[in-house]
Amino acid sequence: RKEVEQDPGPFNVPEGATVAFNCTYSNSASQSFFWYRQDCRKEPKLLMSVYSSGNEDGRFTAQLNRASQYISLLIRDSKLSDSATYLCVVNPLGNQFYFGTGTSLTVIP
Amino acid sequence: DAGVIQSPRHEVTEMGQEVTLRCKPISGHDYLFWYRQTMMRGLELLIYFNNNVPIDDSGMPEDRFSAKMPNASFSTLKIQPSEPRDSAVYFCASTLGTGFYGYTFGSGTRLTVV
Repeated sequence: RKEVEQDPGPFNVPEGATVAFNCTYSNSASQSFFWYRQDCRKEPKLLMSVYSSGNEDGRFTAQLNRASQYISLLIRDSKLSDSATYLCVVNPLGNQFYFGTGTSLTVIP
Repeated sequence: DAGVIQSPRHEVTEMGQEVTLRCKPISGHDYLFWYRQTMMRGLELLIYFNNNVPIDDSGMPEDRFSAKMPNASFSTLKIQPSEPRDSAVYFCASTLGTGFYGYTFGSGTRLTVV
């Protein structure tokens, strides 16, 4: 079983829509969780950390459900510039991060 | 801070040639990671270092791959001999301590072996 699993999509949504991605992880002892964004032919960049209580950054909301072992990312009022691949990242213990294969989002005018 | 710096940005080489990829981590970061990304397999961890010491190299595909970190500000990933299936984007990333703040990636080296 993979450490981290994501729906690869693609998700094609109109501008202004709300879209949500989920990601499941296998190691219940996982300590840290993140969402990264990767634009085409670029490096992954940290979008936001995911805290136990959930956290929000503008139009982006991240949540953690330890009981069900998943994290989610909600994007409200989608912009064209949100088009990218979103990578779920889990840090079970120590310093090795496990990356999901990414979910592709295209926001359509 | 200049971020994580990788060179070269692009490399095209013939099968059988030696390839050396370079990385300069963010100053003060004590962990350095080498990843490979392909469409088929996504991001794969190849090896990581803590304070210049290799900690886990279980992701290195085979003996043709080797990595070194002679000091805190420089690391290399070498492929010898290179094969077409090594074609991928190779990323270097660094972080401080437990990684609580996430990794910072370099812009990657796009390797094509023909």
